[in-house]
Amino acid sequence: AQSVTQPDIHITVSEGASLELRCNYSYGATPYLFWYVQSPGQGLQLLLKYFSGDTLVQGIKGFEAEFKRSQSSFNLRKPSVHWSDAAEYFCAVGSARQLTFGSGTQLTVLP
Amino acid sequence: DTEVTQTPKHLVMGMTNKKSLKCEQHMGHRAMYWYKQKAKKPPELMFVYSYEKLSINESVPSRFSPECPNSSLLNLHLHALQPEDSALYLCASSQEGGTGGSGNTIYFGEGSWLTVV
Repeated sequence: AQSVTQPDIHITVSEGASLELRCNYSYGATPYLFWYVQSPGQGLQLLLKYFSGDTLVQGIKGFEAEFKRSQSSFNLRKPSVHWSDAAEYFCAVGSARQLTFGSGTQLTVLP
Repeated sequence: DTEVTQTPKHLVMGMTNKKSLKCEQHMGHRAMYWYKQKAKKPPELMFVYSYEKLSINESVPSRFSPECPNSSLLNLHLHALQPEDSALYLCASSQEGGTGGSGNTIYFGEGSWLTVV
């Protein structure tokens, strides 16, 4: 069965600092990986996805993620965080049946 | 334009009421989903419709009844709900069912906040 682990429940960074959110997955085949962001009271917005090809994926809002098969990881990064990035971030692995989400990482941005 | 619209945004209902949540997409997607999300938790899959047919029901209680009138619309009929059913209900769609195909991504709506009193 597929699973996703986001080891950090809550991360706090200062505005302008760099950010890395961790994601580890377990999946028997080539994974389809996603990062979604959820602002308070909102739905989920797709940040980026990895299906195949280049292991460094660029997304919206200046985010990128790197797929590392050897580490079963798909970490999300941003070089300079903005106050509007404060939100809940979900990593997910997809299959022919459905998406499996991690438990999420809450990001707080300090001024 | 990736847009899934949900109505109403907020709904308060009593335990004896009957209400419905509605979802619409105009992206030509052939799969539509209902997810339930409790506070501080990830979304949990409830139902999947593929080509207007129910393909997945994740053992959801019968007080939740999905309906797919056509390929663009998805409803969730609610009856005799319990307070523990209070949650954010998210509708989503994708070109095909699941995410096993290249380029098949699930897009979410803004959600409907349901409070059962």
